[in-house]
Amino acid sequence: EPEVTQTPSHQVTQMGQEVILRCVPISNHLYFYWYRQILGQKVEFLVSFYNNEISEKSEIFDDQFSVERPDGSNFTLKIRSTKLEDSAMYFCASSYSGFFNEQFFGPGTRLTVL
Amino acid sequence: DAKTTQPPSMDCAEGRAANLPCNHSTISGNEYVYWYRQIHSQGPQYIIHGLKNNETNEMASLIITEDRKSSTLILPHATLRDTAVYYCIGLVYNQGGKLIFGQGTELSVKP
Repeated sequence: EPEVTQTPSHQVTQMGQEVILRCVPISNHLYFYWYRQILGQKVEFLVSFYNNEISEKSEIFDDQFSVERPDGSNFTLKIRSTKLEDSAMYFCASSYSGFFNEQFFGPGTRLTVL
Repeated sequence: DAKTTQPPSMDCAEGRAANLPCNHSTISGNEYVYWYRQIHSQGPQYIIHGLKNNETNEMASLIITEDRKSSTLILPHATLRDTAVYYCIGLVYNQGGKLIFGQGTELSVKP
């Protein structure tokens, strides 16, 4: 069964450094998402991406964040100048359509900012 | 999107049906009810969705009241692996599909 994969599973970085979280969505999917979950809190929407551009973003997704689909398979989330409060589990998701189809989530990348 | 209200936690005996309620009294006519679950910090997993008719798939059944103000997710024969946080989410058609998660219901299935 096809699945969304994410690398790395755990990333440790120093405050102020840049990190890139990588995701490989399911191959025929067209819509891509990033969510995050701070430990003990609820899952929060960050951004949706379709047709090589951002469809929607939340208030969390400020200029510190960017997304890119550099080739036909990868979908990345870049966090510039990381802060302690960026420590969280980051989930990538994809779906075939933007609404009626379920979103498939990856296993997540745990980001720890020291 | 409709605000949904769920009990924070529930217990269920293994092998019995788990009935998870969700109140969505402010739901609009074009808003679907989606259910996802999250097993211990894994990525959320889609379960089922519906608009006004009852729905069933291999995982669960969804019962939506006639006035659409509430719904119930039914896991017919709960197993220990169904222990998870269950989220009821309202989604408006044609609004990109972003999922707004609440606190959900933490279901504990006990032997």
